[in-house]
Amino acid sequence: KAGVTQTPRYLIKTRGQQVTLSCSPISGHRSVSWYQQTPGQGLQFLFEYFSETQRNKGNFPGRFSGRQFSNSRSEMNVSTLELGDSALYLCASSLVGGRLVTEAFFGQGTRLTVV
Amino acid sequence: GENVEQHPSTLSVQEGDSAVIKCTYSDSASNYFPWYKQELGKGPQLIIDIRSNVGEKKDQRIAVTLNKTAKHFSLHITETQPEDSAVYFCAASPPNAGGTSYGKLTFGQGTILTVHP
Repeated sequence: KAGVTQTPRYLIKTRGQQVTLSCSPISGHRSVSWYQQTPGQGLQFLFEYFSETQRNKGNFPGRFSGRQFSNSRSEMNVSTLELGDSALYLCASSLVGGRLVTEAFFGQGTRLTVV
Repeated sequence: GENVEQHPSTLSVQEGDSAVIKCTYSDSASNYFPWYKQELGKGPQLIIDIRSNVGEKKDQRIAVTLNKTAKHFSLHITETQPEDSAVYFCAASPPNAGGTSYGKLTFGQGTILTVHP
């Protein structure tokens, strides 16, 4: 069974630009969550999607957004990039998610560098 | 919101020794506690988890214990091997106002484990 696939693996962008990252969850998984990992702040929750709906959101500015498609694939977008947005962006997929928490499996991440 | 504290930040052991990593959480409503191992250049890998209705869980050389009263949980690795060297993260799943977590995990700051041959 294929794992969580994130593309691209590496990305270099300039301040002020926008970027879109992609995540394909494990087949059959319907919940997709996004996290930002930095040396200073660690792993921080961005948002979660289930059946194309955002059900939960972390404490990030509105420049960070996402969406989920009918096949459960998800994208996240960061607009007006800032130097501080440089991070490893991780996607995790879960079978269901909700009141009964199910295991979350992470992809290898997209390393975003903003210059 | 939920806050997870993890200790120690670094841990160095000799091959064959045991390693213990401890975490405390603040939200008594959290009900799911996974542990992840992250190797360089890779995403976090789920190694074991425990739910709030269980006090202990084992999987070969790895075990996790949970004390709900004290709000802390620990990872125990026995007979450590060099390939256990990695960064380990604990996490807690805090419910939102509606009582569901909807995918949110709050992570500890991580422990760098080094196993010397």
